[in-house]
Amino acid sequence: GENVEQHPSTLSVQEGDSAVIKCTYSDSASNYFPWYKQELGKGPQLIIDIRSNVGEKKDQRIAVTLNKTAKHFSLHITETQPEDSAVYFCAASMGRGSTLGRLYFGRGTQLTVWP
Amino acid sequence: NAGVTQTPKFQVLKTGQSMTLQCAQDMNHEYMSWYRQDPGMGLRLIHYSVGAGITDQGEVPNGYNVSRSTTEDFPLRLLSAAPSQTSVYFCASSYFGVSGDNEQFFGPGTRLTVL
Repeated sequence: GENVEQHPSTLSVQEGDSAVIKCTYSDSASNYFPWYKQELGKGPQLIIDIRSNVGEKKDQRIAVTLNKTAKHFSLHITETQPEDSAVYFCAASMGRGSTLGRLYFGRGTQLTVWP
Repeated sequence: NAGVTQTPKFQVLKTGQSMTLQCAQDMNHEYMSWYRQDPGMGLRLIHYSVGAGITDQGEVPNGYNVSRSTTEDFPLRLLSAAPSQTSVYFCASSYFGVSGDNEQFFGPGTRLTVL
């Protein structure tokens, strides 16, 4: 099956700085790559996603890039704020094919933004 | 819409006891899944269902049973609880988008401790 690796496991930045989280995947059949944010005591929530026919996607301070050739994708958060502190998960999916949309998750990155 | 609901929020069991974690969604999603979250391990898939009457195993199914008699409900049963099943359990539901995306909506989680 698919294997998703995520780095770093912890990341500390000063408020206003940028944060970058990187993920790699193993199966070239994967075509959908979501990012989830999990705040303390809550379930993960989708913050941005990208499909394999797109190289980059932005939503205000958040952007995701995808390199299909290298099989890696990254989350970029600019102008970080203390409320960005959370655990972030990347995931990969092969869509509605043989795996029926199953998501494969990375192990998560604990982001801490210091005021 | 209530989204994905889970009960109970907290539970303490003794080794060997059985229990059922409840999950319900009111979004008419066809796909539902159960994950467990352990420190440093990310989200690991236990079981999933692609529709009423259809279930399949994820990567860590041992010790857990599921059934899907309706679209709305997807209970997770622990037949004989073990300390290794101490974890936070998340239920999720999703739809399949036209473009093949698969946004999963997570419940708030159940924190289970097995003594």
